[in-house]
Amino acid sequence: AQSVTQPDIHITVSEGASLELRCNYSYGATPYLFWYVQSPGQGLQLLLKYFSGDTLVQGIKGFEAEFKRSQSSFNLRKPSVHWSDAAEYFCAVGRGSQGNLIFGKGTKLSVKP
Amino acid sequence: DVKVTQSSRYLVKRTGEKVFLECVQDMDHENMFWYRQDPGLGLRLIYFSYDVKMKEKGDIPEGYSVSREKKERFSLILESASTNQTSMYLCASRTGQFSTDTQYFGPGTRLTVL
Repeated sequence: AQSVTQPDIHITVSEGASLELRCNYSYGATPYLFWYVQSPGQGLQLLLKYFSGDTLVQGIKGFEAEFKRSQSSFNLRKPSVHWSDAAEYFCAVGRGSQGNLIFGKGTKLSVKP
Repeated sequence: DVKVTQSSRYLVKRTGEKVFLECVQDMDHENMFWYRQDPGLGLRLIYFSYDVKMKEKGDIPEGYSVSREKKERFSLILESASTNQTSMYLCASRTGQFSTDTQYFGPGTRLTVL
């Protein structure tokens, strides 16, 4: 069965530092992968998605993610974090080509001045 | 811009009450979803709908039902609310029928059952 694991529950980084949020998935075929962000008091917003082609995907707000099949990973990165990036981040995998999404448990990002 | 609205941001109900959570989208999307979000558990799918009057159970449908009489509106119903249904409820709609299509989320309804 498909699953998504986000190993880090909470991460704190300094403003201006680089960021990497980890995501591992379990899926038999080529997965459809997503990163969503939830700012405090808000719904989820799509940052980026991958389903084929170039394994390095660019998203909104300066984020990127790299699909690594050999490691079953889809880690989210940002070279320089801003205080406004403080939020909760969810990785998700599509359940088949016409299926729904399975979400990870989320990683909360705190940014210190 | 796609807009998904939910009828209430905060709701307080008593055990045993019937509760309706309403969700409306303005982009003519056929697919709509209800999730609940709990700390440490992420988002879990309750029900979804691929079209008017169609519904499918998600991963945790027990204690919930849904209604989709019009394309733009998807309602979640708690027939008899219980304290373990205290949670954040998120509605979403999707641009198409495929997993690769984007889901757009509403702001959520934080429900407290006393």
